[in-house]
Amino acid sequence: KAGVTQTPRYLIKTRGQQVTLSCSPISGHRSVSWYQQTPGQGLQFLFEYFSETQRNKGNFPGRFSGRQFSNSRSEMNVSTLELGDSALYLCASSSADRSYEQYFGPGTRLTVT
Amino acid sequence: QKEVEQNSGPLSVPEGAIASLNCTYSDRGSQSFFWYRQYSGKSPELIMFIYSNGDKEDGRFTAQLNKASQYVSLLIRDSQPSDSATYLCAVGDSNYQLIWGAGTKLIIKP
Repeated sequence: KAGVTQTPRYLIKTRGQQVTLSCSPISGHRSVSWYQQTPGQGLQFLFEYFSETQRNKGNFPGRFSGRQFSNSRSEMNVSTLELGDSALYLCASSSADRSYEQYFGPGTRLTVT
Repeated sequence: QKEVEQNSGPLSVPEGAIASLNCTYSDRGSQSFFWYRQYSGKSPELIMFIYSNGDKEDGRFTAQLNKASQYVSLLIRDSQPSDSATYLCAVGDSNYQLIWGAGTKLIIKP
């Protein structure tokens, strides 16, 4: 079974721009969670989507948004990028009946200059 | 606020010894507990999960859960240099969300 895939793997943007990251979950998994990881803050939960609905949301500003499609693929968008948005963005998927067992993709490394 | 606490380390253990990683959590209603391993520059990898009080063994890894003390641990027997990584403890809450600890950096010295 293929694992979680994320595209792109690396991204460099300038302040004020916006960015869209993509995540394809493991086949059959309907839940997708997004995390931001920085050296100082550890893993910070952004949001979780299940069956195209946002089920949980972390404490991030409205510049961070996401969506999930009918095939369970998910995208997250960050508008008006700030330098502090530089981080590793991780996507994790889980199946409907074992939602806590999350499997991570390789991540997207975003650098904002 | 629900919290998961881990000692940030680094925890230095000689090769071949037992590494013991600990985690405490605040939500007494938590039912699911996970250990992830994260190598530098890589994403977290699920290595153990435990739902019931007691021990769960998988190869060189043993997860231990004590719900009364709100404490979960991970033991790594016969530690190898390849076990050097950051170990993240995560606890499932009632909203299908994982609450994460900040991780313990483990260094296995040859």
